[in-house]
Amino acid sequence: EPEVTQTPSHQVTQMGQEVILRCVPISNHLYFYWYRQILGQKVEFLVSFYNNEISEKSEIFDDQFSVERPDGSNFTLKIRSTKLEDSAMYFCASRGTSGQETQYFGPGTRLLVL
Amino acid sequence: AQTVTQSQPEMSVQEAETVTLSCTYDTSESNYYLFWYKQPPSRQMILVIRQEAYKQQNATENRFSVNFQKAAKSFSLKISDSQLGDTAMYFCAFGVGTSYGKLTFGQGTILTVHP
Repeated sequence: EPEVTQTPSHQVTQMGQEVILRCVPISNHLYFYWYRQILGQKVEFLVSFYNNEISEKSEIFDDQFSVERPDGSNFTLKIRSTKLEDSAMYFCASRGTSGQETQYFGPGTRLLVL
Repeated sequence: AQTVTQSQPEMSVQEAETVTLSCTYDTSESNYYLFWYKQPPSRQMILVIRQEAYKQQNATENRFSVNFQKAAKSFSLKISDSQLGDTAMYFCAFGVGTSYGKLTFGQGTILTVHP
């Protein structure tokens, strides 16, 4: 069964450093998402991406964040200058065309900013 | 804006028994979808069940079923014959059907199944 994959599974970085989180969505999916979950809290929407552009973003997704689909398979989230409060689990999700509303999540990347 | 509320921070159940997790939501949308996701200790998000708002029939998936009360904006999850592997955090989530489909999650309910 196709699945969403994410790398790395864990990332430790120093405050102020740039990180890139990578995702490979399910191959025939068209809509891509990033969510984050601070430990012990609910899952929060960051950004959605469709047709090679951002379709919606939350107030969390400020200028320090960017997303890219550099080729036909990868979908990346970049945090330009990490802050302590960026420590969280980051989930990538994808879904198919309109009418296929279920989002399938990757296993997550656990980011720790020191 | 949509809100999703799960009023039970923690629940516990004995193995083989039935448990119901509550979820309420608030929206002005007419076309939407509701989901239950399971998050075990590994923290992977696993889809349990989904419900389309336009469908009156409650969704079922093996031991999992929902009680969807559209007028009351309630979407509870019933787990029958609970198993130890059902121990996890359960999130209720809402998605608007006509938008790009971001999900709004509730705060989660930690379910523990005891042997």
